[in-house]
Amino acid sequence: DAGVIQSPRHEVTEMGQEVTLRCKPISGHDYLFWYRQTMMRGLELLIYFNNNVPIDDSGMPEDRFSAKMPNASFSTLKIQPSEPRDSAVYFCASSPIAGPAGHEQFFGPGTRLTVL
Amino acid sequence: GESVGLHLPTLSVQEGDNSIINCAYSNSASDYFIWYKQESGKGPQFIIDIRSNMDKRQGQRVTVLLNKTVKHLSLQIAATQPGDSAVYFCAEKLGGGFKTIFGAGTRLFVKA
Repeated sequence: DAGVIQSPRHEVTEMGQEVTLRCKPISGHDYLFWYRQTMMRGLELLIYFNNNVPIDDSGMPEDRFSAKMPNASFSTLKIQPSEPRDSAVYFCASSPIAGPAGHEQFFGPGTRLTVL
Repeated sequence: GESVGLHLPTLSVQEGDNSIINCAYSNSASDYFIWYKQESGKGPQFIIDIRSNMDKRQGQRVTVLLNKTVKHLSLQIAATQPGDSAVYFCAEKLGGGFKTIFGAGTRLFVKA
């Protein structure tokens, strides 16, 4: 089975440009998470969805960040406008419905974003 | 230049020895504690978890210990192998939802 798929794997853009990161979760998983990882702040949860509905977006840094999940197999994280401090590795993770294994999250390979 | 970043604690062990990685957590309302392993250039990978009402759980070559009195979690790796070299994160899942908070991580070096 394919794991969590993220695209692009690398993105270099200039300050002020819009950036869209994409994620395809593992089929059948009901939860989807977006994380950001930096050397300064470690791994931070930005937002998570349950059955395509945003549940907790308290980690979204500011209004420049938005996330959507139009269907069970696709999610986007958008930054508009991007700033150099947004440079980080962004991970998407998915998890099956709550249960004995429900808290295990399966991470994608990440998107390394560089904003010049 | 870049600011000083997160300086990860580092544990260096000899191949074949046992490793113990420690973690302090902060939230008494967490219902699960989880260990993840992250290899260079990859996303974190689940290793083992423990429910908050347990003290110990064993997996294959790994054991997690939970001390709720002092809010301490540890991961023990038996017979450490070069493939165990990675950054290890403890994480706590807050009760009532799926919000998961990750610790800063510990880098494990295994010397052959």
